[in-house]
Amino acid sequence: GIQVEQSPPDLILQEGANSTLRCNFSDSVNNLQWFHQNPWGQLINLFYIPSGTKQNGRLSATTVATERYSLLYISSSQTTDSGVYFCAVERVLNAGNMLTFGGGTRLMVKP
Amino acid sequence: DAGVTQSPTHLIKTRGQQVTLRCSPKSGHDTVSWYQQALGQGPQFIFQYYEEEERQRGNFPDRFSGHQFPNYSSELNVNALLLGDSALYLCASTQGNNQPQHFGDGTRLSIL
Repeated sequence: GIQVEQSPPDLILQEGANSTLRCNFSDSVNNLQWFHQNPWGQLINLFYIPSGTKQNGRLSATTVATERYSLLYISSSQTTDSGVYFCAVERVLNAGNMLTFGGGTRLMVKP
Repeated sequence: DAGVTQSPTHLIKTRGQQVTLRCSPKSGHDTVSWYQQALGQGPQFIFQYYEEEERQRGNFPDRFSGHQFPNYSSELNVNALLLGDSALYLCASTQGNNQPQHFGDGTRLSIL
């Protein structure tokens, strides 16, 4: 099956700092999503980005499908950004569209 | 517009028992998927239901089964519970292909 690797696995930032999270995947995919899992376990959709660049406030994401990677940028980080960030890719096989998740990047933002 | 809802939020069972988890998809969605998330790991795909049939299945034993109802809601059943089944179980819904999947808040299952 497809492999999804995220880096770095852990990240500690001071409030106000910027960061870049990376997601590499081993095969072509139809779609890619970035999620933020908060300390209560809720998985929150950040971006649905099979290719190109999108921005939402302090967050932006870029996917280069031909080179099999995606980047998530967090600018002016806040303590509420803490949690785990997951990248998940989707391959449509036999009419199904399962998501394969990476191992996540655990982010802690200190005040 | 209600999102994906799951029940119960927490559940404690003992080894060998059976459990049923429930999921109502986001309004307008017809496809439901279930994922298992062990502590410290990313979610793992269990199976997906569409038109009341299992459309795709991950690498999980037959102890894990499911059902989808005509109103698109879904159940996940796990038989003969093992300690290793302790996890957060997440339900996701979507409408067709090439659309984002939306997740519920999950059910935390603890096996004693």
